[in-house]
Amino acid sequence: DTAVSQTPKYLVTQMGNDKSIKCEQNLGHDTMYWYKQDSKKFLKIMFSYNNKELIINETVPNRFSPKSPDKAHLNLHINSLELGDSAVYFCASSQGMAGANVLTFGAGSRLTVL
Amino acid sequence: AQTVTQSQPEMSVQEAETVTLSCTYDTSENNYYLFWYKQPPSRQMILVIRQEAYKQQNATENRFSVNFQKAAKSFSLKISDSQLGDTAMYFCAFMRTSGTYKYIFGTGTRLKVLA
Repeated sequence: DTAVSQTPKYLVTQMGNDKSIKCEQNLGHDTMYWYKQDSKKFLKIMFSYNNKELIINETVPNRFSPKSPDKAHLNLHINSLELGDSAVYFCASSQGMAGANVLTFGAGSRLTVL
Repeated sequence: AQTVTQSQPEMSVQEAETVTLSCTYDTSENNYYLFWYKQPPSRQMILVIRQEAYKQQNATENRFSVNFQKAAKSFSLKISDSQLGDTAMYFCAFMRTSGTYKYIFGTGTRLKVLA
């Protein structure tokens, strides 16, 4: 039973295309996140949702649009893909947002834009 | 703004030996949490250990322990009896307990355990 599952694991696409990455967690957590890990392994938060409400929205281009249909799902849609969007995108979840919460990560989705 | 610095991009250690990974951070907060996460080649990040800033006692999880020096803003990870399965990227992370609850990650240390 995968706790946080992301699909697809790998995505190769052309510049200008639109793509989506899906994330689902079966832990009963109320908070979900999207992180981006660049080629140098730097991990940075993009978005966070708590009970389907957007809590954190970092300085991410508005080509990126998260959507949380319910507490267990957080999808990421990317419009007009650019070369610089190539990265590994991690979904994560936690129970609550206070400092003691531990993130449970998905296995990541590697996006390659050609 | 908080920052987390891991000054060792890469390290290696012989199997069964002990290794220490460094992490320093900068914050004006008094209460916060610190974490070490591990990312093996399979890519999935998993929690190694967690420390609450108001606790003076260093956290320990089996072979993993931390040396938390609050005044020096230092949070190093010690891995004892290193195993091949410890080969991974290790990320230090900071989270404050007020305002926007978001993790700040360091740039990672790639650890290789040698047979």
